[in-house]
Amino acid sequence: AQSVTQPDIHITVSEGASLELRCNYSYGATPYLFWYVQSPGQGLQLLLKYFSGDTLVQGIKGFEAEFKRSQSSFNLRKPSVHWSDAAEYFCAVGADSNYQLIWGAGTKLIIKP
Amino acid sequence: DGGITQSPKYLFRKEGQNVTLSCEQNLNHDAMYWYRQDPGQGLRLIYYSQIVNDFQKGDIAEGYSVSREKKESFPLTVTSAQKNPTAFYLCASSTGTPQGEQYFGPGTRLTVT
Repeated sequence: AQSVTQPDIHITVSEGASLELRCNYSYGATPYLFWYVQSPGQGLQLLLKYFSGDTLVQGIKGFEAEFKRSQSSFNLRKPSVHWSDAAEYFCAVGADSNYQLIWGAGTKLIIKP
Repeated sequence: DGGITQSPKYLFRKEGQNVTLSCEQNLNHDAMYWYRQDPGQGLRLIYYSQIVNDFQKGDIAEGYSVSREKKESFPLTVTSAQKNPTAFYLCASSTGTPQGEQYFGPGTRLTVT
């Protein structure tokens, strides 16, 4: 069965520092991978997605993610965080067999001034 | 502007009352979803629908009901049988293909006392 693990419940980063949020998935074939962001009390917004091709994917708001098949990972990165990046980040995986997404539990990003 | 609307933003009900949450989309998407979000638990799928007049239970359907009479609309009823209905409810839609990302509404926060 598919599963998604986000090992970090909370991450605290200083403003201007780099960021990496971890996501590991379990799926036999090449999955469809997504990162979403949710500001408090709001809906989710898609940051980026990976289906095939170049394993480094660029997204909105200066985020990027790298698909590593050997590690079953799809980690989200940003070179320099801004206070406005404080939010909860969700990794999700989809499969050819259905049109649902399997969601990670989320990582809450806290920005220190 | 294309998007998903959910109303109301905040909803308060007394225990024992049924309540219906609205979800409308003008993205011409075939698939629609309802999720429940509780602190620290990520997104849990309540119901989903791939086509008009058809829907399936998700992981936590007990105490909820839905209808899909129109492509644009997918209302969720929280019944009195739902033991712990206080939560943040998110509606989403997608093209219904595995690669199709889900687009989210702003959410409805339901409080039952």
